[in-house]
Amino acid sequence: AQRVTQPEKLLSVFKGAPVELKCNYSYSGSPELFWYVQYSRQRLQLLLRHISRESIKGFTADLNKGETSFHLKKPFAQEEDSAMYYCALKIKSGGSNYKLTFGKGTLLTVNP
Amino acid sequence: KAGVTQTPRYLIKTRGQQVTLSCSPISGHRSVSWYQQTPGQGLQFLFEYFSETQRNKGNFPGRFSGRQFSNSRSEMNVSTLELGDSALYLCASSLTGSNEQFFGPGTRLTVL
Repeated sequence: AQRVTQPEKLLSVFKGAPVELKCNYSYSGSPELFWYVQYSRQRLQLLLRHISRESIKGFTADLNKGETSFHLKKPFAQEEDSAMYYCALKIKSGGSNYKLTFGKGTLLTVNP
Repeated sequence: KAGVTQTPRYLIKTRGQQVTLSCSPISGHRSVSWYQQTPGQGLQFLFEYFSETQRNKGNFPGRFSGRQFSNSRSEMNVSTLELGDSALYLCASSLTGSNEQFFGPGTRLTVL
């Protein structure tokens, strides 16, 4: 079954500490993965996607096909990083159609 | 460009009633997806419309339905409301459906 698992519902770190939000996926096809973020009282928005291999707001994520993981990392967390983070997998739903499957999210709190 | 808009923002209904939610996508976006967001289940995909056709469907009962108009605006309808339908309903638009999705603020539905 196609599935995205975020094992931690809550993650709390101190400012300046490294942070890693875990994401594992199950998919028989070629995976395309994303991280979406929802800050307090703001809309859900795209943070980064693995095909871009970019760093956004200091966050990076590497697709590890061997471990079927797409963990989100930042070396030095900031208080403004506190938010709900969702990992998402684009899956083929038939023909040339695709849809996004989201994990249940991890609430990151960065303490001062 | 104006972002995705959803109306109404808040709704209170009683069991057995029906409800219609509306979503206006970003100008030029032809794909509209709907998600149900709850604390326990996170984001769950409901369906996607593209050019007035339902292209993808999630695992929700037939009480959940939707449609898309020629101007790409979309509505979703939930009939015979149940307490468990209480959730934040998010709409997202994208150019084609398979690239970045832009989310609206959501409609908070409470079923009493």
